[in-house]
Amino acid sequence: DTGVSQDPRHKITKRGQNVTFRCDPISEHNRLYWYRQTLGQGPEFLTYFQNEAQLEKSRLLSDRFSAERPKGSFSTLEIQRTEQGDSAMYLCASSPGQGPSGNTIYFGEGSWLTVV
Amino acid sequence: QKEVEQNSGPLSVPEGAIASLNCTYSDRGSQSFFWYRQYSGKSPELIMSIYSNGDKEDGRFTAQLNKASQYVSLLIRDSQPSDSATYLCAVKGGWAAGNKLTFGGGTRVLVKP
Repeated sequence: DTGVSQDPRHKITKRGQNVTFRCDPISEHNRLYWYRQTLGQGPEFLTYFQNEAQLEKSRLLSDRFSAERPKGSFSTLEIQRTEQGDSAMYLCASSPGQGPSGNTIYFGEGSWLTVV
Repeated sequence: QKEVEQNSGPLSVPEGAIASLNCTYSDRGSQSFFWYRQYSGKSPELIMSIYSNGDKEDGRFTAQLNKASQYVSLLIRDSQPSDSATYLCAVKGGWAAGNKLTFGGGTRVLVKP
């Protein structure tokens, strides 16, 4: 299967700890996105990359959050000093970035974070 | 005003009926529009996209776009219990909004046998 892959799928952590999520996009997709979703809400945009460049970051994103895509392939999202309010599903998505379907994004299965 | 608005529902429809979902958006420069389906506990999956005014049909699904009214809708014909899910409307804004999609809060649909 060549869909978007996320790891880990579930993470339980204590408040104050750091967590890191990994995302492998669909091969040859040059755009990669991170979204966050809480219960009853739609996905909320966090940040996106075009190849290795981080082109946009949500103004709502705390400086405890950082994302990288060092070689333009996989990406990591790190949350430092986690808080209970960080509990959510973290969704990674990718899109071709060009062509008629360039803006169509495809989601991975998500990474569930529970901060206790 | 939210950028993308949907009625949260639940929208209850009998099996075999048509479910009609609505979405409005605020960015008049928006060009691309998407509908995603999300089952409870799962990630969103793409149903269809629409870029031009009018209707676009794909199987039992029809998307309708009216840019002048800043309105996009989704019709589900012959609704099945397996269509019970949350439906998310997503919009790519104008050039100033970058390349991200902005999502509405979703409409929960419940198809009753």
